[in-house]
Amino acid sequence: GQQLNQSPQSMFIQEGEDVSMNCTSSSIFNTWLWYKQEPGEGPVLLIALYKAGELTSNGRLTAQFGITRKDSFLNISASIPSDVGIYFCAGRASGTYKYIFGTGTRLKVLA
Amino acid sequence: DAGVTQSPTHLIKTRGQQVTLRCSPKSGHDTVSWYQQALGQGPQFIFQYYEEEERQRGNFPDRFSGHQFPNYSSELNVNALLLGDSALYLCASSLTGNAEAFFGQGTRLTVV
Repeated sequence: GQQLNQSPQSMFIQEGEDVSMNCTSSSIFNTWLWYKQEPGEGPVLLIALYKAGELTSNGRLTAQFGITRKDSFLNISASIPSDVGIYFCAGRASGTYKYIFGTGTRLKVLA
Repeated sequence: DAGVTQSPTHLIKTRGQQVTLRCSPKSGHDTVSWYQQALGQGPQFIFQYYEEEERQRGNFPDRFSGHQFPNYSSELNVNALLLGDSALYLCASSLTGNAEAFFGQGTRLTVV
């Protein structure tokens, strides 16, 4: 099935470091969502973005809706061990109800 | 405020059997979407139900069908199970007109 390209695929970082990940699409989207998923659980919504260029924060998380409307970015500042998990982006195009998910970025934090 | 709840949490079925998965949306939500998540991949859209009708369908065969009840809860039915149907099935609810979709914990289906 169709998936968006997320990078990096996985990353190990030290506690306290900042993290950046991105998501790219060949199609234009009018909504981007970012989720975190832990083993055996469903994805948890972190941030929603609705307009090109929009920058939205949720605590230590900041996400941006790319100006081209074909990409989005998520930053995590001062990472902590509980940030471990898989981060997914999801995009939705105008006139559709389905979200297309990314391939995921697996984050591991070294204490 | 109860979030999205799904049942059962785990299920083992034999090839060729049929299965029904259930979802209760978050309080106040009227729209339910179903996704299939294979191991190591992102969720794939199966279909969305609104006002008791299938509003949009993803690229899944007719063996996958669903239903939405007047209380907005929903069922996903899969007939003639194949080994490849083994996956985590996720239900997401939303309020129509609002883009935010909230997921349940999923049902882990294993087909043997």
